[in-house]
Amino acid sequence: DTAVSQTPKYLVTQMGNDKSIKCEQNLGHDTMYWYKQDSKKFLKIMFSYNNKELIINETVPNRFSPKSPDKAHLNLHINSLELGDSAVYFCASSQLGTGHYNEQFFGPGTRLTVL
Amino acid sequence: GQNIDQPTEMTATEGAIVQINCTYQTSGFNGLFWYQQHAGEAPTFLSYNVLDGLEEKGRFSSFLSRSKGYSYLLLKELQMKDSASYLCAALASGSARQLTFGSGTQLTVLP
Repeated sequence: DTAVSQTPKYLVTQMGNDKSIKCEQNLGHDTMYWYKQDSKKFLKIMFSYNNKELIINETVPNRFSPKSPDKAHLNLHINSLELGDSAVYFCASSQLGTGHYNEQFFGPGTRLTVL
Repeated sequence: GQNIDQPTEMTATEGAIVQINCTYQTSGFNGLFWYQQHAGEAPTFLSYNVLDGLEEKGRFSSFLSRSKGYSYLLLKELQMKDSASYLCAALASGSARQLTFGSGTQLTVLP
């Protein structure tokens, strides 16, 4: 059983389009994350939700909008895609709180290519 | 904020020992993670240190010195499958417990 899953795995689209990436975790965790990994392999936090509440919101263009319908899901919608958005996007989840050290489990990644 | 530094690339021979260093500067610190990432795959958890000292787990060990802002990952009896990127990540204190990653060290194991 996949712990953290993402769809789609690959996404190729034209500049200016709007696209969504979905993430689901079946670990019972209360916190989910979106990371962007660029061509230099630098993994950078974008957003984090704890119990459906936004707790981390890094400096990301407002074309990116996360949405968490419940604790097990965190989706990422991107408007007006630009060439610079091409990257691998990783979803992750963890359990915060006393007794947990926030080990994060990552999904398989979504490779987004903007043409 | 947090700043993480680690070497970009390292090369070692099968069967050898390699040490990957990481230094961090942070305004709030709650532990240090190491993750392994094979090409085209997701990062996977290797180790977590919050207290000073060495944590050993099979062929992999991780060390932390909080006073020096320094950690290393030690890989023994290297195997070809250990060729991967190794990511150092500092955990922030506070309710959000944000992870800040270094840019990763690409380790190549040669036969």
